[in-house]
Amino acid sequence: EAGVTQFPSHSVIEKGQTVTLRCDPISGHDNLYWYRRVMGKEIKFLLHFVKESKQDESGMPNNRFLAERTGGTYSTLKVQPAELEDSGVYFCASSQRGAANEKLFFGSGTQLSVL
Amino acid sequence: AQSVTQLGSHVSVSEGALVLLRCNYSSSVPPYLFWYVQYPNQGLQLLLKYTSAATLVKGINGFEAELKKSETSFHLTKPSAHMSDAAEYFCAVRNTGGFKTIFGAGTRLFVKA
Repeated sequence: EAGVTQFPSHSVIEKGQTVTLRCDPISGHDNLYWYRRVMGKEIKFLLHFVKESKQDESGMPNNRFLAERTGGTYSTLKVQPAELEDSGVYFCASSQRGAANEKLFFGSGTQLSVL
Repeated sequence: AQSVTQLGSHVSVSEGALVLLRCNYSSSVPPYLFWYVQYPNQGLQLLLKYTSAATLVKGINGFEAELKKSETSFHLTKPSAHMSDAAEYFCAVRNTGGFKTIFGAGTRLFVKA
């Protein structure tokens, strides 16, 4: 069974450009999460989808970030325009039921560098 | 707001020595608690989780963690470190009924030969 897949693994862009990150969750997992880790700090929650609906987007930093999950399958996270402080590792995770005691399955992350 | 504190961003042990990675959470009511591990170039993987059953939780690869409510701690231990344990370890909490997982800043474990 394929795990959570993220693309690209690395992205280097200039300030002001646009970047789109993609996440393919495990098939059948209705719950999809985006997290971000800025250098050496804690992994912070960005948002949570249940199927194609945003359940909680309280962690999104500002309106330069847009997440979508059309059709309830893969998700994209677009940053437009990118700023220096957006650099970090963006993780996607998925789970089947979304229960509080359920483990998350993580992708290997996208390392975003904004220069 | 719920928070997780991991003491020590880096821990170094010799192969065969005890591993102790510290984690404290802020809530007085133990939520669900997790330890995840991240090996280089991989995603986070679940090591173990506490879900209101036994306070001593055994996980994969010989790791275990004990919930101590009086100390609001959930430290991760392994009796004998192996070179393959070198990785970054994250403590995390989730409240009952919540979907948001709160992570600590991580502890990188180095194992010396």
